[in-house]
Amino acid sequence: QVQLVESGGGVVQPGGSLRLSCAASGFTFSSYGMHWVRQAPGKGLEWVAFIRYDGSNKYYADSVKGRFTISRDNSKNTLYLQMNSLRAEDTAVYYCAKDRVPVAATYGDYWGQGTLVTVSS
Amino acid sequence: DIQMTQSPSSLSASVGDRVTITCQASQDISNYLNWYQQKPGKAPKLLIYDASNLETGVPSRFSGSGSGTDFTFTISSLQPEDIATYYCQQYDNLPQTFGQGTKLEIK
Repeated sequence: QVQLVESGGGVVQPGGSLRLSCAASGFTFSSYGMHWVRQAPGKGLEWVAFIRYDGSNKYYADSVKGRFTISRDNSKNTLYLQMNSLRAEDTAVYYCAKDRVPVAATYGDYWGQGTLVTVSS
Repeated sequence: DIQMTQSPSSLSASVGDRVTITCQASQDISNYLNWYQQKPGKAPKLLIYDASNLETGVPSRFSGSGSGTDFTFTISSLQPEDIATYYCQQYDNLPQTFGQGTKLEIK
């Protein structure tokens, strides 16, 4: 069955960096686009970024553009989110999600359990 | 960006009640609308996709309808295990956007 396991969260100071990973299994990772979605404590869901199945195109929310980079390694079945210049408002649980449709960009049908990022001095 | 206005923000109902949540898009999104359920401390779970299609394995008491800008999510007979927060999501355009959520509680 589809499994997505995020890791790499933790506490970081404002202005710092962190790299999140999402290990995927149970499906052909190289055939599906992948999303990052975040949720600030007690708040709603915010889409963060998407990468196409082959890494050819990447899309970002305005709130993270220029600071975050989504990438993937299809040989390792792993998705990444490099987060630089972190701000207090980036504090959230970060979820990775598998796109619904092969080689397309739609929405997440399976989600990982999330990893918490806390930006605080 | 497409704004999704979801209402109500919270709802208290009794077991067996029919529950309805609405979601309005700021522009026409056809049927590119999903509904997710999120229980405390858990990841969101897809319940309804493309406005009205029930995800595999989801109980038939859940349903969705609508197209264009106005959408409805219904639980026909509320069960205790349905206590959660529900979100609508549009995927017509990036950035995908979510409604503010509806927190459902048992009366």
